[in-house]
Amino acid sequence: ETGVTQTPRHLVMGMTNKKSLKCEQHLGHNAMYWYKQSAKKPLELMFVYSLEERVENNSVPSRFSPECPNSSHLFLHLHTLQPEDSALYLCASSQSEGYYNEQFFGPGTRLTVL
Amino acid sequence: QKEVEQNSGPLSVPEGAIASLNCTYSDRGSQSFFWYRQYSGKSPELIMFIYSNGDKEDGRFTAQLNKASQYVSLLIRDSQPSDSATYLCAVSPNFNKFYFGSGTKLNVKP
Repeated sequence: ETGVTQTPRHLVMGMTNKKSLKCEQHLGHNAMYWYKQSAKKPLELMFVYSLEERVENNSVPSRFSPECPNSSHLFLHLHTLQPEDSALYLCASSQSEGYYNEQFFGPGTRLTVL
Repeated sequence: QKEVEQNSGPLSVPEGAIASLNCTYSDRGSQSFFWYRQYSGKSPELIMFIYSNGDKEDGRFTAQLNKASQYVSLLIRDSQPSDSATYLCAVSPNFNKFYFGSGTKLNVKP
């Protein structure tokens, strides 16, 4: 256990559904991240939050909507997804000061869009 | 050009041998460097981080950093079958930018 939890672990949804992914960290970190991991591709950083404010949005389609209500919780709201959005979605947390910004990952949510 | 380049492998080594994994990066502003291990179907697990030139050792693992050559490596001594996984190199210029390589798959044969 890394101190970062994610729910659900598996999710199957239709293209017209709305669902949310949840992440919680118990490490006292002040930065949280969403990543997408597709087969044969590098991890793609989607969103970065520091002190509950979004600081990075790497050209992610608007059908993905993040929410960070506090420094321990992070959500990814999903709506009208496409089959190519099927992937492993990983949450991570770190400190946002200095060089010691190593990230710790949650177990991920395996998403399948039908 | 990719931000982080790794040989995809697979790299096969016999049990007990030294496995050498390499990574190059393009952003000269990178300050922190990480190696993650990822087992199939699992999330990445941090095994080493380094931020200054030279070597850093932790048990059977040694990370080597050469900023002038933009090169990071990971040595695994006395490789075990349980080390068989994909190893991801990551570099970060600051907390809100992380670039991951595609990973090198390591097979340690008993």
